[in-house]
Amino acid sequence: KNEVEQSPQNLTAQEGEFITINCSYSVGISALHWLQQHPGGGIVSLFMLSSGKKKHGRLIATINIQEKHSSLHITASHPRDSAVYICAASRPRDTDKLIFGTGTRLQVFP
Amino acid sequence: EAEVAQSPRYKITEKSQAVAFWCDPISGHATLYWYRQILGQGPELLVQFQDESVVDDSQLPKDRFSAERLKGVDSTLKIQPAELGDSAMYLCASSSSGSKGETQYFGPGTRLLVL
Repeated sequence: KNEVEQSPQNLTAQEGEFITINCSYSVGISALHWLQQHPGGGIVSLFMLSSGKKKHGRLIATINIQEKHSSLHITASHPRDSAVYICAASRPRDTDKLIFGTGTRLQVFP
Repeated sequence: EAEVAQSPRYKITEKSQAVAFWCDPISGHATLYWYRQILGQGPELLVQFQDESVVDDSQLPKDRFSAERLKGVDSTLKIQPAELGDSAMYLCASSSSGSKGETQYFGPGTRLLVL
């Protein structure tokens, strides 16, 4: 079993829909990262959080440390949000190493 | 805005040939990472440098892969000989100091196809 698991693996939505991507982890972490990977391959860091909730534009990330679960929400989704969203955990003793989930492929249709 | 540069963006080679990828991290970033990402999976760390020193290469297949960062700035990842299973995206990332889970900045990647 992977230490970081995401669901769903694939997600399609109509423009304007509210989207939720889930991430569960089985290890102790110092931080949980959400990353976005566009079809060209480049990866952009969206959030790094260790507690509570962070918001940037239409993106919201939450984490529940007790339940070892994090969610990424996209409000008013747009076709340009289409990408692979990856969650990754950094461990307390190896804070510079990321344990990656397998990603969620999101397609938003007009 | 400063970016991590990688080249080439795409590489097609035949098995048993040698390939090399280059990465130039964001200026001033001491930590550099090479990842391999197989289609449909998350990135897997191959090697991590702190300045010019390797701090983790436990997942690097050392019989065919090598990496160097001679002056602690740009880095080269080499595969010799390439095998069919090496087809993947090779991502380079850098961070300022590699501590406290700080943000890693990724390059655009090199997509390798081994025929």
